[in-house]
Amino acid sequence: GAGVSQSPRYKVAKRGQDVALRCDPISGHVSLFWYQQALGQGPEFLTYFQNEAQLDKSGLPSDRFFAERPEGSVSTLKIQRTQQEDSAVYLCASSLIGGAADTQYFGPGTRLTVL
Amino acid sequence: GESVGLHLPTLSVQEGDNSIINCAYSNSASDYFIWYKQESGKGPQFIIDIRSNMDKRQGQRVTVLLNKTVKHLSLQIAATQPGDSAVYFCAESKGDNDMRFGAGTRLTVKP
Repeated sequence: GAGVSQSPRYKVAKRGQDVALRCDPISGHVSLFWYQQALGQGPEFLTYFQNEAQLDKSGLPSDRFFAERPEGSVSTLKIQRTQQEDSAVYLCASSLIGGAADTQYFGPGTRLTVL
Repeated sequence: GESVGLHLPTLSVQEGDNSIINCAYSNSASDYFIWYKQESGKGPQFIIDIRSNMDKRQGQRVTVLLNKTVKHLSLQIAATQPGDSAVYFCAESKGDNDMRFGAGTRLTVKP
């Protein structure tokens, strides 16, 4: 079956522009996660949804970052007034139920470059 | 603060040899550990996991060992193949949805 998909795969933005990154989780997966991965580093947790509810957004680095999942399936991560330090790969993952021991399946990521 | 870390950033092995990738963790509250493989341009791919009530778990060509006494996790890959070349991450979780990754080890398999 289809895995997690993300679009666009690559995004170049000028500093100050707003961007929106899309994640299509595996069909039927309840939980959805966003991570930020800087070059040469491991992914860092940003936020977590269970269905449409955003249960944890403690990892969002600033109020310029906003995520939503209005219908409990597709999610969008929006970054307003992008800065150079926002350049990273943004990964989305989904899991069937959620919880510590539920396997998270990752998408290919969106590589964001802010000039 | 507490974090997941790795002993070595790179590892180079000959094709056919066994590989051992190590990971140290410091959060004693973590009870679930996962190994992911990430190839260039792709997202992390689940390899194997282990709960804190176990000390060993085997998969296909892979074995994860957990030593809670010294807070050490390792991934053993048997008969390493060129397709195993990637960055390997360990991750820990303490019973919630906050999964924390280490920085990764780059495995290179020489033919």
